[in-house]
Formats: sequence, structure tokens, C-alpha cells
Amino acid sequence: AQTVTQSQPEMSVQEAETVTLSCTYDTSENNYYLFWYKQPPSRQMILVIRQEAYKQQNATENRFSVNFQKAAKSFSLKISDSQLGDTAMYFCAFMKHLWGIQGAQKLVFGQGTRLTINP
Amino acid sequence: GAGVSQSPSNKVTEKGKDVELRCDPISGHTALYWYRQSLGQGLEFLIYFQGNSAPDKSGLPSDRFSAERTGGSVSTLTIQRTQQEDSAVYLCASSRRAGAYNSPLHFGNGTRLTVT
Repeated sequence: AQTVTQSQPEMSVQEAETVTLSCTYDTSENNYYLFWYKQPPSRQMILVIRQEAYKQQNATENRFSVNFQKAAKSFSLKISDSQLGDTAMYFCAFMKHLWGIQGAQKLVFGQGTRLTINP
Repeated sequence: GAGVSQSPSNKVTEKGKDVELRCDPISGHTALYWYRQSLGQGLEFLIYFQGNSAPDKSGLPSDRFSAERTGGSVSTLTIQRTQQEDSAVYLCASSRRAGAYNSPLHFGNGTRLTVT
């Protein structure tokens, strides 16, 4: 079974600083996908960024980028120029690659990191 | 268009009562998922629907939990004889099709269930 571990329950930085959230996972699969989701106080889970395991290039979405280290099974999220609106719970998630619809797009989530951006 | 809609947003019930939670997915999304988020925890997979059938019910914690989906659209999660450990936020998500990396999950705002 796959597991996802986020070792930082809480983090706090000042606005405009850069912050990195860590995530490690355990799997015997070779093809899979990794995601970072953001959950603000509204409770809605919002997809921040995703990475395909077979791609060596790290994914980037504006101020958000990842450092994907497949051998180390590490998938950290870097937020540059942090903004007050980035305050939220951040969840790392793993999805096994599945052919067809034989199984669910069953995301396995980490425990989350509560990120606070201070003015 | 409209996102995933869940109702009620909050539900308080007495121990032993039955509750129904509703999820209205994005129109045209064939896959629907239920997750549970307990206080301070990550998300726990409960069940997944492709159309009206449920290929994966592996996450349902007990036989008190059941779910159905009708017309390939609205889904209802039912918890019978609720217990205090059922207190959690129940999140629903939908996607255009299951098992596809390029078909990400869209989540609703969840139903916060409190069992007293």
C-alpha cells in the first residue's frame, strides 16, 4: 500500500518570503502521479500543482514549484513570494497510474501542513 | 459552470440517528468520490462511483455506511446508527472520467457532521 508523509504539521512565514513544504511517499509502483492540494478555511480542496513520475522536469505553476526526487521518493512544494491568500492547509497526494477505469482515481493523502502567512 | 455542491453544509445529529449527505457533481462528470476528513487528519477515501456503479467500496469503514448514485448524477452517502467517531467533514469530488491524470478531481465544500 502507498503511504504519504508530511512531517511538518505547521509552518509560519512572513509575507513575501519563500517557504518549502516537504512530502515523502512510499510505493513500489514505477508509474504514478503526485499532487499538492490547498484547503483554505472554506474547506474546498483546490489543486495547486501536479507532477507525472516519468517526467524528470519539475512542474511549475506561477509562484508554485516542486522539487521531485524520484529516487528519494520526495516531492516538496516551494511557494515563492508568499501572499496572505496562501494561508491554508496543504496536502500532498499520490495516485497510482491505472490503465482504463479498473480502479479509482484513488488519491492517497498525507496528513497535511497548516501554513500561515503573516503580514 | 457550477462546481460540486454538497448539502447540508453542517449537520448535527444525536448518536444512534441516521443521516443522509448529498452530493451534486459537476454536470457531465462521470466519476464521483466520497472522502472523509477527521479533525486534524488527511483525507480518507470512502467510495468511488463510475456512472451509477461503485467499482471500489473498499474505504467504507463499516456496514453502517452506504452510498448510492442515481441517474449518473446526484449521490447520497447514508450513515446509519451514527456514532461519535463518525464526526468529520465528508467531502465529495467529481471528475470527467476516472483514472485519468488529466481529469483532476473537483471537490465540494464538504458537510461537517457532528454526532452528539
